[in-house]
Parts: sequence; structure tokens; C-alpha cells
Amino acid sequence: DAKTTQPPSMDCAEGRAANLPCNHSTISGNEYVYWYRQIHSQGPQYIIHGLKNNETNEMASLIITEDRKSSTLILPHATLRDTAVYYCIVRGGRISGYALNFGKGTSLLVTP
Amino acid sequence: ETGVTQTPRHLVMGMTNKKSLKCEQHLGHNAMYWYKQSAKKPLELMFVYSLEERVENNSVPSRFSPECPNSSHLFLHLHTLQPEDSALYLCASSQEPGQEQYFGPGTRLTVT
Repeated sequence: DAKTTQPPSMDCAEGRAANLPCNHSTISGNEYVYWYRQIHSQGPQYIIHGLKNNETNEMASLIITEDRKSSTLILPHATLRDTAVYYCIVRGGRISGYALNFGKGTSLLVTP
Repeated sequence: ETGVTQTPRHLVMGMTNKKSLKCEQHLGHNAMYWYKQSAKKPLELMFVYSLEERVENNSVPSRFSPECPNSSHLFLHLHTLQPEDSALYLCASSQEPGQEQYFGPGTRLTVT
């Protein structure tokens, strides 16, 4: 799986958009970008994934640059419950094996 | 119940005890996983099942014994554990192996 780089921490005011960046400059053509998050002492939660096109679901939007070397996860209206560690993972599906390599992620703190 | 459930949520056991962790997924998925998450360490994949067949076993000590009686249920049988086995044990499922994984809340295990 391609290596990813994320800032270690970010702050966001409640109600504002949280934009979490991820660099994955060595991504290959068949690798997807996945985002998960983990709230303290809970199981990880799948958020969204994409290959080339931007994606949106009820939780977030994923913006992938045209060269696919970086992406941004957007939480449009952050709430206090969005405080968590966010992980950007690049993987090529089954050929990458089954383990999720979470790395260190970005610790997002949403403040009142 | 929806999603992935795990019981018990907390477990304290002595080194000579035998106990079992249970996971159930209500998502109609074909793959199920056991992970271990120790304090300050990344997720460690332990076992993967696809359609009730074990497809990956990551050098896990024999004191951990998985069982997958059907595609909705996964057990982790524990016996003669060590204090260093204390951790959060997470179950996950995915539609197919290698696809996005949905996690349960975990079982917080303490071995005394």
C-alpha cells in the first residue's frame, strides 16, 4: 500500500467545515483512498473511499486531486462528536491483503 | 440490532480462565475479522474469515482460537492468557475480503 502523510493534529470550531488533508504521492493507479476515524476507546468507523472522482455521502465529502497525489476529507459542519483521530489509508483492495494500516492519523479536536 | 455487535464489552479474566468473545454482524457481509489494539500501538490483524473459512492467520499464539460457525457470527476463544494480552479486541466485517470494513465497539480485555 502507498504511504500516506497527515498532519498530526488539527482544530476546528463547531459548525465550521473541517478539512483534513492527506498526501499520498506514491499512489498507484489501482489504489483507492479510504478514510476511517476512531473516537477514543471505540472501534474504528469507516467514513468514505474513492478512486479518482470526488465522493460524497451522509458523513463527509472526499476530494481527490487530479493527479491523485493528495486528497482532502471534508466534514461540512463539524460537531463536538466529530472529535476523533482520522486515518487516511491507501490500498488496492484484496491484493493489498486484509489488514488496515492505520498509521498515526490526524487528531481532530472540535471546539465549542 | 444493526451493524456489528460485540459481547461482552468489558472482560476481566485470570490467566487460568477460559472465556470467549462474541461478534455478530447484521450487514449480510461475507468476511469477518478479529483485530487487537494495544495501548499506543496500531491495529494488529489477527484472523480473517471469508464465508466461514479462515483465509488469514497472522502468527497469533494458539491461546487465541477463532471460530466462525456461519457468516454472521465470529467467536474468539481465550485460554491461559498472559497479562500482555490485555487490549481492546475489535471485530469487523466487510462485504468481501479487502473491501471497506465495519467495526464493532470492541471488547476491553484485562488479564490479571
